[in-house]
Amino acid sequence: DAGVTQSPTHLIKTRGQQVTLRCSPKSGHDTVSWYQQALGQGPQFIFQYYEEEERQRGNFPDRFSGHQFPNYSSELNVNALLLGDSALYLCASSLSGGQMMSSGANVLTFGAGSRLTVL
Amino acid sequence: AQSVTQPDIHITVSEGASLELRCNYSYGATPYLFWYVQSPGQGLQLLLKYFSGDTLVQGIKGFEAEFKRSQSSFNLRKPSVHWSDAAEYFCAVGARGGSQGNLIFGKGTKLSVKP
Repeated sequence: DAGVTQSPTHLIKTRGQQVTLRCSPKSGHDTVSWYQQALGQGPQFIFQYYEEEERQRGNFPDRFSGHQFPNYSSELNVNALLLGDSALYLCASSLSGGQMMSSGANVLTFGAGSRLTVL
Repeated sequence: AQSVTQPDIHITVSEGASLELRCNYSYGATPYLFWYVQSPGQGLQLLLKYFSGDTLVQGIKGFEAEFKRSQSSFNLRKPSVHWSDAAEYFCAVGARGGSQGNLIFGKGTKLSVKP
């Protein structure tokens, strides 16, 4: 049973460019969350997608956007890249089944991440 | 403001010695509590979680954690550390209602194991 898969694993961009990161959730999961992990820091919540809609958003600017597809996979897009966007981007999936109060929605399975370097 | 504090940035223990990693949180109500481990170049793996009930929870790889409401703490312990436990450990909290899946993480504690 495949876990959460992310692509690409590493990428290098220059300031001002745009990047798209992809995530396939664990089989059976319906919710995808994205986190940014800067060097030496803990992961920070960017946003969460369920039923192809953004359900929650952390304290990130509009340059960060996402999408969820009918097969539950997801993309994270970052526009107008800044040096400070260099980080490991982690995708996590969970099963909420629409039940926001379900404790299961908090049990996240993480992918290995996409390492973004902005020069 | 909601936050998680892991006071120890880096801990070194000898193989076979016991381990305790500290975690304190600031939250409006008792949150869900988690410990994750991250090996170099890897994502996060869930070690254990506390939702309710017994305040001493058992996890994978021989780890356990104790929730102490009065101290707002959720410390991780292991009686005998193995060299393969060297990694970074993150404590996290999550909301019981509303913001499911929006976890707040500490900055992590890096564990080194001496032979």
